[in-house]
Amino acid sequence: RKEVEQDPGPFNVPEGATVAFNCTYSNSASQSFFWYRQDCRKEPKLLMSVYSSGNEDGRFTAQLNRASQYISLLIRDSKLSDSATYLCVVILTGGGNKLTFGTGTQLKVEL
Amino acid sequence: NAGVTQTPKFRILKIGQSMTLQCTQDMNHNYMYWYRQDPGMGLKLIYYSVGAGITDKGEVPNGYNVSRSTTEDFPLRLELAAPSQTSVYFCASRRTGEGFYEQYFGPGTRLTVT
Repeated sequence: RKEVEQDPGPFNVPEGATVAFNCTYSNSASQSFFWYRQDCRKEPKLLMSVYSSGNEDGRFTAQLNRASQYISLLIRDSKLSDSATYLCVVILTGGGNKLTFGTGTQLKVEL
Repeated sequence: NAGVTQTPKFRILKIGQSMTLQCTQDMNHNYMYWYRQDPGMGLKLIYYSVGAGITDKGEVPNGYNVSRSTTEDFPLRLELAAPSQTSVYFCASRRTGEGFYEQYFGPGTRLTVT
């Protein structure tokens, strides 16, 4: 089983739609969780951290379910500029705090 | 702040050639990382460093070497390039300390080995 698994998509949604991505992780000792965004042929950039209580940043909401070992990202009122690949990232604390990346979920927002 | 810079942006190597990918950061970060990203795949950690003089292997270190003589620089060396090393290489850095987990990435080096 992969350490971090994501549906690769693509998710094709109309502008203004709400879309959600899930990500599952295999190691129950995972400590920290993030969503990164990667535009085509660009470097990944941090979108948001994921906290146990859930957190929101504008149109973006992230949730963590430790019991089921998954995290989610909800995007409301999708914009064309949201088109990108969203990478789920998990950290096991210690050993340089290495990030383990999912393969990403591709989102295409269309007119 | 330039952040994390990488050179070159693109490179084509012949099988068996060697090269060094350069990575520099000006944020005084102790932690630095090298990843590779193959098409449609997630990032795989090659090597990382927790400070000058200290390096350690990641998930896919074979065929690569690193050094960390200064806080700013973390070059990645490819010896005897192989087609399997065709990939996009990203360097990243982050601050030391609990809670400072955000990694800042360079723009990447696109390497083709033919």
